Amino acid sequence: NAGVTQTPKFQVLKTGQSMTLQCAQDMNHNSMYWYRQDPGMGLRLIYYSASEGTTDKGEVPNGYNVSRLNKREFSLRLESAAPSQTSVYFCASMVSSYNEQFFGPGTRLTVL
Amino acid sequence: LAKTTQPISMDSYEGQEVNITCSHNNIATNDYITWYQQFPSQGPRFIIQGYKTKVTNEVASLFIPADRKSSTLSLPRVSLSDTAVYYCLVGDIPYNQGGKLIFGQGTELSVKP
Repeated sequence: NAGVTQTPKFQVLKTGQSMTLQCAQDMNHNSMYWYRQDPGMGLRLIYYSASEGTTDKGEVPNGYNVSRLNKREFSLRLESAAPSQTSVYFCASMVSSYNEQFFGPGTRLTVL
Repeated sequence: LAKTTQPISMDSYEGQEVNITCSHNNIATNDYITWYQQFPSQGPRFIIQGYKTKVTNEVASLFIPADRKSSTLSLPRVSLSDTAVYYCLVGDIPYNQGGKLIFGQGTELSVKP
């Protein structure tokens, strides 16, 4: 049981480049989430998916898109990366009936 | 979602009991109180959740007064490994609101030898 996995672990982009962060969970959870965490800050919700086939904006969705590919996978795409998107990105999943989210190890993204 | 207020940082020594209080004056009737712990370079980890009175598990206790406008996370006999950021969250069980949880800045607990 791998839990929540994220790829890649590290990434360096140049301004304007695009990339997709991948997330997968094997716990059969309905809900999945993408957060970003800047140095010394708490987590901010980018997008979430309450169930397969649905996605909704969180606190800071601008500059990002998401795809809930199936129940297991939830990807985050940066179409045109900006230095302000330098951050650590966490994916999480949750059982719908309880507030316990399970987090992946994070992706450390630097945009130059 | 109810706004929460908690201390930015706290210091403690090994072996002491640590109490972190979270204020949530606008908590709604259906809201639960949830606490997470985050170690450096890791994602947050669920610690405990409660609705009212007291909840205890193998890691911590959660005290919630009758008016539910605040809650206190209690960590018994902390060790150096309890040094982490602790987040207090308030929200409905996700089933009723699409699963959105909002993390604040958290409380950075530093345990010293």
